[in-house]
Amino acid sequence: KNQVEQSPQSLIILEGKNCTLQCNYTVSPFSNLRWYKQDTGRGPVSLTIMTFSENTKSNGRYTATLDADTKQSSLHITASQLSDSASYICVVSDRGSTLGRLYFGRGTQLTVWP
Amino acid sequence: EADIYQTPRYLVIGTGKKITLECSQTMGHDKMYWYQQDPGMELHLIHYSYGVNSTEKGDLSSESTVSRIRTEHFPLTLESARPSHTSQYLCASSAPPLSSGSYNEQFFGPGTRLTVL
Repeated sequence: KNQVEQSPQSLIILEGKNCTLQCNYTVSPFSNLRWYKQDTGRGPVSLTIMTFSENTKSNGRYTATLDADTKQSSLHITASQLSDSASYICVVSDRGSTLGRLYFGRGTQLTVWP
Repeated sequence: EADIYQTPRYLVIGTGKKITLECSQTMGHDKMYWYQQDPGMELHLIHYSYGVNSTEKGDLSSESTVSRIRTEHFPLTLESARPSHTSQYLCASSAPPLSSGSYNEQFFGPGTRLTVL
């Protein structure tokens, strides 16, 4: 069964600190892995997208890594800001259909305190 | 921010009412999607469309229906709303991959928070 598991479920950190969010998946055949940021009451916004051949990608203070062998990914946030408070969703796409089906994790709810 | 819009943003209605959630995109994308999301849970695909006059049901069974008469417009309708329909509904669209091996990034609208009393 294609699944995406994220940990931790929630995380509280102080402003300026770093944090790392984890994602494990069983989706096969694998196409790409995405990290989205979803602010409360808003739609998800893409942070990074990585294909099978990419093992790291950065977007400002966000750095995602991918280990396709162990089917694990992480999202590292550096020097956190209050505006980083949001849900971070790991999404894996398969290449078994023309739709490019997406499998969503439940997200990690990050809260940054001043 | 992507050019995909949803209205209304919030809707509170009584049981039995007919409602239509609007979704429009100005990017000319062929593929469009409707997702349902409950608090703390993952997004579930309920409907998708490959293009005009194409609609398919997604992974999660839903009593809602959709139509795709124009490329830019993908409304979702509930004929008779019930409290079990209370949820957030997210619309998304994507363009075809530029080449094989690339990906179809999905752009999401802001969502409609539906509450059925």
